[in-house]
Amino acid sequence: AQSVTQLGSHVSVSEGALVLLRCNYSSSVPPYLFWYVQYPNQGLQLLLKYTTGATLVKGINGFEAEFKKSETSFHLTKPSAHMSDAAEYFCAVSRGNQAGTALIFGKGTTLSVSS
Amino acid sequence: KAGVTQTPRYLIKTRGQQVTLSCSPISGHRSVSWYQQTPGQGLQFLFEYFSETQRNKGNFPGRFSGRQFSNSRSEMNVSTLELGDSALYLCASSLGAGPDGYTFGSGTRLTVV
Repeated sequence: AQSVTQLGSHVSVSEGALVLLRCNYSSSVPPYLFWYVQYPNQGLQLLLKYTTGATLVKGINGFEAEFKKSETSFHLTKPSAHMSDAAEYFCAVSRGNQAGTALIFGKGTTLSVSS
Repeated sequence: KAGVTQTPRYLIKTRGQQVTLSCSPISGHRSVSWYQQTPGQGLQFLFEYFSETQRNKGNFPGRFSGRQFSNSRSEMNVSTLELGDSALYLCASSLGAGPDGYTFGSGTRLTVV
């Protein structure tokens, strides 16, 4: 079975500070890993994904994540937080991309950014 | 191009009633998946449809059902509504089967009173 653990349900940073959102996964097969962002009353927007290949993945809005198989981690980082980054962030895993494969989500981390 | 459209955006229903939610995928997308989001359980997979066939179903009671039409539009139905069915229901479409390439809609907020 697959699972995702997001450490810290709430993270607070100052504008301009490093953003680090932690995600650990469990998977018996090579995983596909995703980070999504959700703003209030909206759906999920894909920030970045790891499928195969390069383990350092760059996404939109300056975010990046590194797939570390030995640590079963896929932490999300951004060098300098902006006020507009305040939102809820979800890490998700899937067993590849074939038909019948669903996303398993973590519980989410709410990011607050203060000025 | 138009995104994934979910209608209605908000819905209030009474316990025991039934409800139908609609999802229109991005043009050309053949796969539609549904997820339920609640504060307690988080995001949970409901179903996946690809070319009108249900390919996968999550761990939800039989009161939850869905279907996909030949134009790839999908509907989900919940019968005999319970208070715990109050949630944001999200639909995602993708070109092929599987979650890589998902584009999510803005969701339907269902409140059961």
